[in-house]
Amino acid sequence: QQQVKQSPQSLIVQKGGISIINCAYENTAFDYFPWYQQFPGKGPALLIAIRPDVSEKKEGRFTISFNKSAKQFSLHIMDSQPGDSATYFCAARVGNFNKFYFGSGTKLNVKP
Amino acid sequence: EAGVVQSPRYKIIEKKQPVAFWCNPISGHNTLYWYLQNLGQGPELLIRYENEEAVDDSQLPKDRFSAERLKGVDSTLKIQPAELGDSAVYLCASSGQGYEQYFGPGTRLTVT
Repeated sequence: QQQVKQSPQSLIVQKGGISIINCAYENTAFDYFPWYQQFPGKGPALLIAIRPDVSEKKEGRFTISFNKSAKQFSLHIMDSQPGDSATYFCAARVGNFNKFYFGSGTKLNVKP
Repeated sequence: EAGVVQSPRYKIIEKKQPVAFWCNPISGHNTLYWYLQNLGQGPELLIRYENEEAVDDSQLPKDRFSAERLKGVDSTLKIQPAELGDSAVYLCASSGQGYEQYFGPGTRLTVT
């Protein structure tokens, strides 16, 4: 059973547009929700993360929106650039066990 | 500061042969993870170490996979014998006192 469900599987956005990737979970033991960016041939790199006691976190063009009651969180990439073209993974951590579960990934293509 | 180092980056072997992957985590990071990443999927945990102790190996196929982390620093993941279905990217990650995980570039294994 997928602990973290991610959508869409792929996304095409025009340069300057907003990219939105969504994730949903059921396990209320999750206490930390990171997003990773992965380029081909590279390992995932931490992009931005949020704790469940905060509803939004913004770092530059990247924003996480977190809805604790709905058990959903999303990544918004403002002013998307071709250099943002990569695969994005959401994840969630079970605090007591320091164990991470990953979504299935979203392949983002930003058209020039 | 150096990131997580993995070697080799690529490995091609015939089925039934053994193979080993090496990981050196970020200096001072006590937690080390080995993940399996199939094409188009998110990382899946194989084993997690806290210092020298394997605290979560529930997803490690123990009939053919083994791992060790001597002296609580670098780690080796071994497969013997390899099967066609083992073709994937094997990622190593480490974390320190905080929640953040840092990934290495991965080893791409191809079993023919």
